[in-house]
Order: sequence, then C-alpha cells, then structure tokens
Amino acid sequence: GQNIDQPTEMTATEGAIVQINCTYQTSGFNGLFWYQQHAGEAPTFLSYNVLDGLEEKGRFSSFLSRSKGYSYLLLKELQMKDSASYLCAAYNNAGNMLTFGGGTRLMVKP
Amino acid sequence: SQTIHQWPATLVQPVGSPLSLECTVEGTSNPNLYWYRQAAGRGLQLLFYSVGIGQISSEVPQNLSASRPQDRQFILSSKKLLLSDSGFYLCAWQRISYEQYFGPGTRLTVT
Repeated sequence: GQNIDQPTEMTATEGAIVQINCTYQTSGFNGLFWYQQHAGEAPTFLSYNVLDGLEEKGRFSSFLSRSKGYSYLLLKELQMKDSASYLCAAYNNAGNMLTFGGGTRLMVKP
Repeated sequence: SQTIHQWPATLVQPVGSPLSLECTVEGTSNPNLYWYRQAAGRGLQLLFYSVGIGQISSEVPQNLSASRPQDRQFILSSKKLLLSDSGFYLCAWQRISYEQYFGPGTRLTVT
C-alpha cells in the first residue's frame, strides 16, 4: 500500500526558517515531490528529489533519504506569501502515479 | 510551452444530475493525464489516469467515469451526482521526468 504522512499545520514567523517533514511508505518508489497550494488554487510544482541529498532552489530546499523513507522541505527567509499548504507526494513508477499526503498548512505570522 | 485548461471553473449541480468536466492540454503530445479530487482541507485523491487515447485506469470505485477521446482531451463524467461528489476537481498532465502540472481546477458543489 501507499502511505504518506506530514504534519497537518505549522506556524512560523516572517523572516524565519521552517522545515516541513514528510515520511512515506510506497511500493515502486521513484521520487518525492513537493507542491505548494494557496487557498482556492491548484497546486504548483516546487521540487523533485529522486536521489538522496539536498536540492536547493532559491529560498526553498528539499531533502530526501530513501533508506529512511523521509523527506523535508526547508523554507528560508519566510515571507507572508509563503502562507499556503505544502503537499508531499511519492511517485510510484509501476503505476505511473503520485500518491499525495494530506498537506501541511503553513501560516506565516508577522 | 505547455498549457492545461479546465472548465467550467465553478459548478453547482443538484443531486442526481449528470456531470461533465473537460480538460485539455496544449503544447505536448501523448501526455499521461490524471483526474484528482480534493475535499475541503484535505489532500488530493487520485480518481483516474490515462496513458493514451481510450486507456483509462480507475483508482477509486465510485459513480464517476472518465474518457479520453483525443490525445490531449480528458473528460470526467457522472450519470447521477451524489452529495459526496462535491469537491475541487483537478486535472494534471505529467512530463516525461515525472513531475505533474495541474490545471486551474473546477469547484463542484452538489446541492
């Protein structure tokens, strides 16, 4: 079966750093994706990790450990516009599909 | 560049009425296409996916169906809507490198 876990909600302060964790158990795993979704809008692609390690893209970084079934999304220099839900998704190569976690709602406060 | 369209953006339908949501992709050929549903405050639930014309895989048994009559067109249908069908319906296409890109979505309210 497929199982993706991430915290439901997090709160952080503008200018700070926040780490959103995701653990997964999936068969045929072939990569971990992070999406950002603002309220009422469609998700937008942030990052994709297929190998262990850290991928950095500006203020956002994503880490993957395949042996531990663990990933995190790191957001630096938080801005108010970063208030959104962050969805973790594992790619199943055998089924050509993504399995999504329930999303982490991040609230950035002044 | 690739673009994905969905319509309508918003829909209010009575219980028992039919449904047809359409998704089209531009700028790519033979993409994998996906239909997801998102209940309020929840994650995305995969409903159907298609790897080619006429090829549909269903992930969740329910009163919905999907069709792919053309390479870049994906349709979600129902003969009789239930209250539980309310939600945010998202269509997505997948690049060869596996990331998926979503259309703007259709917000369906069944009354």
